[in-house]
Amino acid sequence: ETGVTQTPRHLVMGMTNKKSLKCEQHLGHNAMYWYKQSAKKPLELMFVYSLEERVENNSVPSRFSPECPNSSHLFLHLHTLQPEDSALYLCASSQDLGGNYGYTFGSGTRLTVV
Amino acid sequence: RKEVEQDPGPFNVPEGATVAFNCTYSNSASQSFFWYRQDCRKEPKLLMSVYSSGNEDGRFTAQLNRASQYISLLIRDSKLSDSATYLCVVTRRPGNTPLVFGKGTRLSVIA
Repeated sequence: ETGVTQTPRHLVMGMTNKKSLKCEQHLGHNAMYWYKQSAKKPLELMFVYSLEERVENNSVPSRFSPECPNSSHLFLHLHTLQPEDSALYLCASSQDLGGNYGYTFGSGTRLTVV
Repeated sequence: RKEVEQDPGPFNVPEGATVAFNCTYSNSASQSFFWYRQDCRKEPKLLMSVYSSGNEDGRFTAQLNRASQYISLLIRDSKLSDSATYLCVVTRRPGNTPLVFGKGTRLSVIA
């Protein structure tokens, strides 16, 4: 596997469910990110991790809970979501936190909350 | 002033046309600049970095004007496959802060 891998690619969940999104990067990068992109909307930065430490949380509701057990893996735990949380969730990684060499994105998880 | 501003478009151009996108940024301390391409319902992918001296990759040319704080992307001989949203991306300031993504400019190349 190369690059940034996200699973699952598609997820449908009820508002009372608990699910987790997984991201794995095989690039040796030090920073990882979660972004949300609603239909026809720009990217919204959710969380930033640098060397497994959370360095940014952009006022994201507590029903989204990130976890970074090591520098290669990033999870987004979901519980009691709302229909407006339906979106494409993108994971990205970068060599450094400043992104001076750009980001590499995973293919995303398309989430539908019913 | 927004950190990164782009004309949202859409730009509808015929095949073979030349099209240019501009992007302005507010932080004069920004160091690195990029153009990303995002196809419908897909992830953004790095198209090219933008260097101070300007750079070219095939039909694509990127330029940076630090004095006026804008970057541009020129696409020559447009192909149908160039249809996508083009995102302007800049570093916020030197140091450890995430990249700032513009909202994107949508391009539709028409046969």
